[in-house]
Amino acid sequence: GAGVSQSPRYKVAKRGQDVALRCDPISGHVSLFWYQQALGQGPEFLTYFQNEAQLDKSGLPSDRFFAERPEGSVSTLKIQRTQQEDSAVYLCASSFSLTGGGYTFGSGTRLTVV
Amino acid sequence: DAKTTQPPSMDCAEGRAANLPCNHSTISGNEYVYWYRQIHSQGPQYIIHGLKNNETNEMASLIITEDRKSSTLILPHATLRDTAVYYCIVRRMDSSYKLIFGSGTRLLVRP
Repeated sequence: GAGVSQSPRYKVAKRGQDVALRCDPISGHVSLFWYQQALGQGPEFLTYFQNEAQLDKSGLPSDRFFAERPEGSVSTLKIQRTQQEDSAVYLCASSFSLTGGGYTFGSGTRLTVV
Repeated sequence: DAKTTQPPSMDCAEGRAANLPCNHSTISGNEYVYWYRQIHSQGPQYIIHGLKNNETNEMASLIITEDRKSSTLILPHATLRDTAVYYCIVRRMDSSYKLIFGSGTRLLVRP
């Protein structure tokens, strides 16, 4: 596609519910990133994939957060037993390579946990 | 990656140049300066990046001081659509793939 697509655009979850957020990167982009952005803050790094390999998951806040990219294209960020502090916008970005230029971000999924 | 310091907010009049400063006094020789912006309800958008020479593209110009400890992003003719949060990020190109965002500068372009 022309850009990075994320779905759903908005998600309301009851506390304790599991959620899955989807990211469709630009075709051919090998690098994929997930970021979490709390209201009024800059985005914070969660995890990074190069193709299907998850090379860095140092930013995942707890073991309730899990990300996968099984075929090196679409990625899913899963949050188990959601809590109110998980409420944020979750951004996905992709890049053709690690070097040069910038990353392309999607518009994000706004998760609200009630 | 080196830390950056930006003013929390700025404003400018439509049609005038917007000059957004960034301090990165601890930058090292192999670190680039990147600028992104984030318009309300959208993901961050890449604007420009540079190492030590000034850079210009269709969106903006990047002026980096000779000692590389600070830089300025210039939007030559700001429009209302340039109202956004602007992030200055310092990043190594070789192995540090992460973008570390700070709080950015909230630019308001006034009609």
